[in-house]
Amino acid sequence: DAKTTQPTSMDCAEGRAANLPCNHSTISGNEYVYWYRQIHSQGPQYIIHGLKNNETNEMASLIITEDRKSSTLILPHATLRDTAVYYCIVRVGGGAQKLVFGQGTRLTINP
Amino acid sequence: GAVVSQHPSRVICKSGTSVKIECRSLDFQATTMFWYRQFPKQSLMLMATSNEGSKATYEQGVEKDKFLINHASLTLSTLTVTSAHPEDSSFYICSAHPGTGVYTQYFGPGTRLTVL
Repeated sequence: DAKTTQPTSMDCAEGRAANLPCNHSTISGNEYVYWYRQIHSQGPQYIIHGLKNNETNEMASLIITEDRKSSTLILPHATLRDTAVYYCIVRVGGGAQKLVFGQGTRLTINP
Repeated sequence: GAVVSQHPSRVICKSGTSVKIECRSLDFQATTMFWYRQFPKQSLMLMATSNEGSKATYEQGVEKDKFLINHASLTLSTLTVTSAHPEDSSFYICSAHPGTGVYTQYFGPGTRLTVL
């Protein structure tokens, strides 16, 4: 699976959009970009995934660059409950494939 | 839907004892389950992949005789930490995958193991 690079930490004000970047310059054509988050002392939670088109669901939006070498997760109106570690993972599609977690981005939402 | 539970949520044991952690998919059948370990301030590390009715596949560096995994049914996988030592103290998390056509895994809430 391709390696990903994320900033170690970010801060965002409550109510503002949180934009979390991820670089995956070695991504191959059949690899998807997945985002999970982990709130302190809990199991990870799936957020969104995409292949090459931008995706949106009730939690977030995923913007993937045209060359697919980077992506941005957008939380449109961040709340205090969005404070968590966010993981960007690249892997071949198929939920039964193992997930390899990097260090992620620790996002802190400030009141 | 898609709820995964773990039991116990927290356990404290003495060095040298064995501890069993259960992972259950409550509202779906899981053909594949995964076990992760997470040390403080670190990321999740995959320990093993478990398929129902077959032997688990362990990641490099994970001792299969120390971390026994059993996936006896489509809704239950167990991880037994044998002869636990303080260095085994960690947060153990399982995830479950329902099968083909589903793009994600569902994670349990984790089990905090403390070995004295």
